[in-house]
Amino acid sequence: EVVLTQSPGTLSLSPGERATLSCRASQSFSSSYLAWYQQKPGQAPRLLIYGASSRATGIPVRFSGSGSGTDFTLTISRLEPEDFAVYYCQRYGNSPLYAFGQGTKVEIK
Amino acid sequence: QVQLQQSGPGLVQPSQTLSLTCAISGDSVSSNSAAWSWLRQSPSRGLEWLGRTYYRSNWYYDYGPSVKGRITINPDTSKNHFSLQLNSVTPEDTAVYFCARGACDSAGCALDYWGQGTLVTVSS
Repeated sequence: EVVLTQSPGTLSLSPGERATLSCRASQSFSSSYLAWYQQKPGQAPRLLIYGASSRATGIPVRFSGSGSGTDFTLTISRLEPEDFAVYYCQRYGNSPLYAFGQGTKVEIK
Repeated sequence: QVQLQQSGPGLVQPSQTLSLTCAISGDSVSSNSAAWSWLRQSPSRGLEWLGRTYYRSNWYYDYGPSVKGRITINPDTSKNHFSLQLNSVTPEDTAVYFCARGACDSAGCALDYWGQGTLVTVSS
């Protein structure tokens, strides 16, 4: 079973700053199967990135994803007030079919 | 625009069956390019995928290891919805439950539309 570990647990930044979130897998897998989600309190997760680097429909260009093998990164180029939320990486694969990291909270400094 | 609307009770007694329904609009439960999942989220377990159903000339079902043996997901083509049944629940099954669509292509099935979430509490 592939385990996803996200870091840091909490990121304290100001609006306009750059956010870099990490997701590390316990085993290598195809970047095609890596996705990122944003979740705000009381809401369902929202798909941001799929295939490690493709933005989902309607997602602003300030969100970008990169990485391969075991190391993946979500970058928010300039934080907007609405970007303060929890972010999850997710692998699609085998048993379980979908596995999620524990999340990174991006909070206002 | 795809929308998923969840319904079902928010309180279930221990040892009973948790039942939720997810109504689909803007897509079909029989779509050949989608898969329909149930997930849950709790502080202790985080986001956890429970299972899915999808149609590719036949109906297929995949279930997660944490609930295998207790879970059933059923599609209903006449009502264009799918349901979750989780048997023999305990307080550890208390969570917010979500339904979601997997948009399936050669890169996998990223979960692109989600229901609003239902808090289900297992308690007597």
